Amino acid sequence: NAGVTQTPKFQVLKTGQSMTLQCAQDMNHEYMSWYRQDPGMGLRLIHYSVGAGITDQGEVPNGYNVSRSTTEDFPLRLLSAAPSQTSVYFCASSTTPGGGLSGANVLTFGAGSRLTVL
Amino acid sequence: GQNIDQPTEMTATEGAIVQINCTYQTSGFNGLFWYQQHAGEAPTFLSYNVLDGLEEKGRFSSFLSRSKGYSYLLLKELQMKDSASYLCAVSDSNYQLIWGAGTKLIIKP
Repeated sequence: NAGVTQTPKFQVLKTGQSMTLQCAQDMNHEYMSWYRQDPGMGLRLIHYSVGAGITDQGEVPNGYNVSRSTTEDFPLRLLSAAPSQTSVYFCASSTTPGGGLSGANVLTFGAGSRLTVL
Repeated sequence: GQNIDQPTEMTATEGAIVQINCTYQTSGFNGLFWYQQHAGEAPTFLSYNVLDGLEEKGRFSSFLSRSKGYSYLLLKELQMKDSASYLCAVSDSNYQLIWGAGTKLIIKP
């Protein structure tokens, strides 16, 4: 009963380096998303996916890339890291995007990845 | 633009009651969520309101007024473990969640 598994938990990068944050879920959720969380700000959506082969941009997509080749996996790629990308990143999944009269469709979050870009 | 407002920080005493307010202005409304986030951890779901009124779940209750763009989370019989941030989020017309910055709740003995 793993839920959403995110790796790594901590990472330090130098400006210009690239890296991939991994996210996997075992709940057969169609909807997956990546957020960043910065002090004093709400969670901001980076990219999301409503099913395998489908991805779309969120509020702050620049500098990030995603793919969804399987239902289970949704990796986030930083193409050329910048200090402004220092943040805590959360992957989250649910059966469908949240809300509506049919029910909450609650997001299940991964444990988070703390990224520092020097 | 879309906006969610909630107080930055609140302090309450163990055993007491606290109300955390959330006001929102969003393009459309498809439900309002409250999540709890302990320091260094992921958010976890607390409650959901899509129709006006009060939803009660044990020590926690959440209220919604869609006409006023307003919700509150009521925590009763506060315990030290309730020290956390409480995040308000609204599902907009595209079913995307818009998040408030969170309210840090400090519980004192």
